[in-house]
Amino acid sequence: GAVVSQHPSRVICKSGTSVKIECRSLDFQATTMFWYRQFPKQSLMLMATSNEGSKATYEQGVEKDKFLINHASLTLSTLTVTSAHPEDSSFYICSARSGGNEKLFFGSGTQLSVL
Amino acid sequence: KNEVEQSPQNLTAQEGEFITINCSYSVGISALHWLQQHPGGGIVSLFMLSSGKKKHGRLIATINIQEKHSSLHITASHPRDSAVYICAVSRGATNKLIFGTGTLLAVQP
Repeated sequence: GAVVSQHPSRVICKSGTSVKIECRSLDFQATTMFWYRQFPKQSLMLMATSNEGSKATYEQGVEKDKFLINHASLTLSTLTVTSAHPEDSSFYICSARSGGNEKLFFGSGTQLSVL
Repeated sequence: KNEVEQSPQNLTAQEGEFITINCSYSVGISALHWLQQHPGGGIVSLFMLSSGKKKHGRLIATINIQEKHSSLHITASHPRDSAVYICAVSRGATNKLIFGTGTLLAVQP
């Protein structure tokens, strides 16, 4: 079946640094990818929708200059948390949807801890 | 009020029991998804429904579009079924998901 690979699975960084998270579709072309964050014991919340070759669409309340999304190819989307702060510590997970199939495939997630 | 509501929030069952998790939604949707999230965080898509019923192994998912309600059933439950089960609905041109709060299922041997 379709696989979405997400790296890294866990990252610890100092406050003020930037962290890049990659999401790759391994055996299909993902025209649309979604980025979510999840706080402990809470539901996932959509941060942004990225479409290959165009600007990402951010949900209300998500700072686009802080959470930079790049979807430069049909198999790769990246989320960069810029100038990370402790309140950015969260579980980030991506999902991908191929052009002709609405079923979603999820990455394994990235646990970000900002010290 | 959340657009997607799940019940129960927590469920403990004995191995072998039949389990039902419910999901109600209040918005128009293009599809409803049942997801499984394990303790490590990874998420697996179990079903995507727009009508009727689907079955995969011991899992059955149903949806009633008129009543805006879906159920996920697990037959002959097993400890390895222990996970958080999440109902989500997709809507809009981008089919972005709106998530329920999840049901934490613990199946005891």
